[in-house]
Amino acid sequence: NAGVTQTPKFRVLKTGQSMTLLCAQDMNHEYMYWYRQDPGMGLRLIHYSVGEGTTAKGEVPDGYNVSRLKKQNFLLGLESAAPSQTSVYFCASSYIRGSVYSTDTQYFGPGTRLTVL
Amino acid sequence: AQKVTQAQTEISVVEKEDVTLDCVYETRDTTYYLFWYKQPPSGELVFLIRRNSFDEQNEISGRYSWNFQKSTSSFNFTITASQVVDSAVYFCALSLNNAGNMLTFGGGTRLMVKP
Repeated sequence: NAGVTQTPKFRVLKTGQSMTLLCAQDMNHEYMYWYRQDPGMGLRLIHYSVGEGTTAKGEVPDGYNVSRLKKQNFLLGLESAAPSQTSVYFCASSYIRGSVYSTDTQYFGPGTRLTVL
Repeated sequence: AQKVTQAQTEISVVEKEDVTLDCVYETRDTTYYLFWYKQPPSGELVFLIRRNSFDEQNEISGRYSWNFQKSTSSFNFTITASQVVDSAVYFCALSLNNAGNMLTFGGGTRLMVKP
């Protein structure tokens, strides 16, 4: 099992450029999440998905879009990057359908370091 | 809305010292889950422990122990006989019992263990 993987690991954009971050998980998890981590701060939830074809806004969704066309993949898009979006982005997944736990542990990918100039 | 506070932004200890990382949470829900994650210098987030609100038993795992007290809304983490490899940022997080199970993170505590 690779767990949760993220592509790319690093990226530098110019203001106004667009890009898509890819998250993939091979644990058959139902839920997937995108967080951002800024210096000296904890992680903040951008968007999340409770299943294929569904997405919802988190705490800081502005400037981002997401899609979950396949259960194992969760894409995060920046349509017009801004310097304020310079951050480390983490993807996570959790919850196997039928699990005895109503709240499962989230497992995180290695992160993507994005710099917007 | 829920909130997690880690008042200690940075702690420095000498190897073999014991250290406690504080975590205080706020929620109106009676069912919730608390987590600790470790973020070493390499940057990944490593899951350490998960506790639910109905289980106040303290837990010990090797040099790590956790003290959950609902009366003070705290979920503190103690490392006994700290080692240099324990140097990392530690995050406490809270999840409610709802669809999506989103995590609310504290700001993190940076622990530096000096040889």
